[in-house]
Amino acid sequence: RKEVEQDPGPFNVPEGATVAFNCTYSNSASQSFFWYRQDCRKEPKLLMSVYSSGNEDGRFTAQLNRASQYISLLIRDSKLSDSATYLCVVNRRGNKLVFGAGTILRVKS
Amino acid sequence: EAGVTQFPSHSVIEKGQTVTLRCDPISGHDNLYWYRRVMGKEIKFLLHFVKESKQDESGMPNNRFLAERTGGTYSTLKVQPAELEDSGVYFCASSWGQVSGGELFFGEGSRLTVL
Repeated sequence: RKEVEQDPGPFNVPEGATVAFNCTYSNSASQSFFWYRQDCRKEPKLLMSVYSSGNEDGRFTAQLNRASQYISLLIRDSKLSDSATYLCVVNRRGNKLVFGAGTILRVKS
Repeated sequence: EAGVTQFPSHSVIEKGQTVTLRCDPISGHDNLYWYRRVMGKEIKFLLHFVKESKQDESGMPNNRFLAERTGGTYSTLKVQPAELEDSGVYFCASSWGQVSGGELFFGEGSRLTVL
């Protein structure tokens, strides 16, 4: 079983739609949680950190449920430019990030 | 400010040959990481340097891979001899502090194709 599991998608949504991605992690010792975004043939870039209390950054909302070992990302009012692969990332004690395989989002006009 | 730069962007070699990938981290970042993504799989950790010291090399697949960071500046990752399963994208990343509290800045990656 992979340490970080994501639905690979693709999620095909129209502009303006709301879309949600989920991620589960298996290691209860995980301490830090992130969503990274990766455009085609580009490097991953940090989208946002995820906190237990939930956090929002503009159209993006991230939630963490430690009891269920579950992380989510909600994107409201999708834009064409949101099309990318979204990577769920966790960090155990230390400096090693563990990546999910990513969820592909395609926003269409 | 320059980001993380990697060279070459793409390398095509034959099985058994040697390839050396180079990474220049963001200036002032003591932490340097190598990750790789093989076809259809998730990005996986290879190793972590703090300055010139290897902090964690638990992700290195085997002894055909050798990473160095001379003087705590740029880093190289050598694959010798290369095998078909080494094909993939090798990402270098750097950070100023602990990754748990901060952001990793990735380079655009070096795509390795072993024929």
